[in-house]
Amino acid sequence: DAGITQSPRYKITETGRQVTLMCHQTWSHSYMFWYRQDLGHGLRLIYYSAAADITDKGEVPDGYVVSRSKTENFPLTLESATRSQTSVYFCASSESWVADNEQFFGPGTRLTVL
Amino acid sequence: AQSVTQLGSHVSVSEGALVLLRCNYSSSVPPYLFWYVQYPNQGLQLLLKYTSAATLVKGINGFEAEFKKSETSFHLTKPSAHMSDAAEYFCAVSATGNQFYFGTGTSLTVIP
Repeated sequence: DAGITQSPRYKITETGRQVTLMCHQTWSHSYMFWYRQDLGHGLRLIYYSAAADITDKGEVPDGYVVSRSKTENFPLTLESATRSQTSVYFCASSESWVADNEQFFGPGTRLTVL
Repeated sequence: AQSVTQLGSHVSVSEGALVLLRCNYSSSVPPYLFWYVQYPNQGLQLLLKYTSAATLVKGINGFEAEFKKSETSFHLTKPSAHMSDAAEYFCAVSATGNQFYFGTGTSLTVIP
């Protein structure tokens, strides 16, 4: 199916464990983004990527690692999960770094850290 | 720097009534503004966007928004609410590059 997909959709993990959230898009968009959504904060940017092997920090990058070896994939890794990282994570993609470009969002991953 | 304020985290309207969701922005350069909708357990979907072509922007599902520079506002309206409009609504701003800054969201409840 075309579009942007995320896996898993739901994940429960324990404090200190490593967990990777996957994001895949079929549009060949250059830009990809990771956001977290929390009550009272809306969506906040964690990391973004302009192309394969080019990534940059967003507003809340601490505790997260990203990579982008292929244009279509943009995994987000929590190297040692903490309870404060319990959140809903959204991946998004965009054609270019133009301010009026729409960002297309995946369905989200609900992560619970116990 | 850019930021967005959405007044009212929860809004309730009766079916058939006017929907008004408020968004005020702050931007040091001319902004681009977006409204996204999020239905339960789904990702965000673009409703409409302002890109300086016209101050009154029409979007999907009967929604529209008006850019008012003097008031730094981009409020979302719909003349007649439908039950299917119940969702979370996010306003976002971008200015330099495609980095979005989102508001905290407004949850819309439609009362039958």
